[in-house]
Amino acid sequence: DAKTTQPTSMDCAEGRAANLPCNHSTISGNEYVYWYRQIHSQGPQYIIHGLKNNETNEMASLIITEDRKSSTLILPHATLRDTAVYYCIVRDTRMNRDDKIIFGKGTRLHILP
Amino acid sequence: EPEVTQTPSHQVTQMGQEVILRCVPISNHLYFYWYRQILGQKVEFLVSFYNNEISEKSEIFDDQFSVERPDGSNFTLKIRSTKLEDSAMYFCASTGGIFTDTQYFGPGTRLTVL
Repeated sequence: DAKTTQPTSMDCAEGRAANLPCNHSTISGNEYVYWYRQIHSQGPQYIIHGLKNNETNEMASLIITEDRKSSTLILPHATLRDTAVYYCIVRDTRMNRDDKIIFGKGTRLHILP
Repeated sequence: EPEVTQTPSHQVTQMGQEVILRCVPISNHLYFYWYRQILGQKVEFLVSFYNNEISEKSEIFDDQFSVERPDGSNFTLKIRSTKLEDSAMYFCASTGGIFTDTQYFGPGTRLTVL
């Protein structure tokens, strides 16, 4: 089973920041937090990942709490094309590059015009 | 930007027929995966493949399934005798570039078994 808990669905107005929370209270010191999204039955799309520090790339920012038990994915200016299911995933990728991803149900994000 | 590609995008077959789903992973990747997603359900792991052999497989991946890397670029999933319940989206993924452990997914093949 997935090691994370996410809200089932969220709404966000177009142009506003979308903040998607994720709880991973049992995360271990070697596990990374990964975020993927899936737009309407397309293949899961990698967004961002982090271990301890906050991370930012061209798609999003990832804020990880100091105790690492939760994180927030931020889409700074949501557009209609960001409507998707967002998956928060915990993975230990130190040595096991062939480890599988266990997907949960994710958060269905609706961007409202 | 390099990407994983899959063909065909949609495959329709009769129950009991064999199907082969094809994937071209990102060129310098070494680890390959198949996942599936039944309509309305979660994405599920099927199998991982490295160095020309299966690394791990799920209980879904029974004797009807097989994987192969027939040449330096393709990675295939074969279902020997399809069942109605094999209808799903099948996603290929790859990882193992020099600087990343991130799995990158293809767009998927929609398999419909009639």
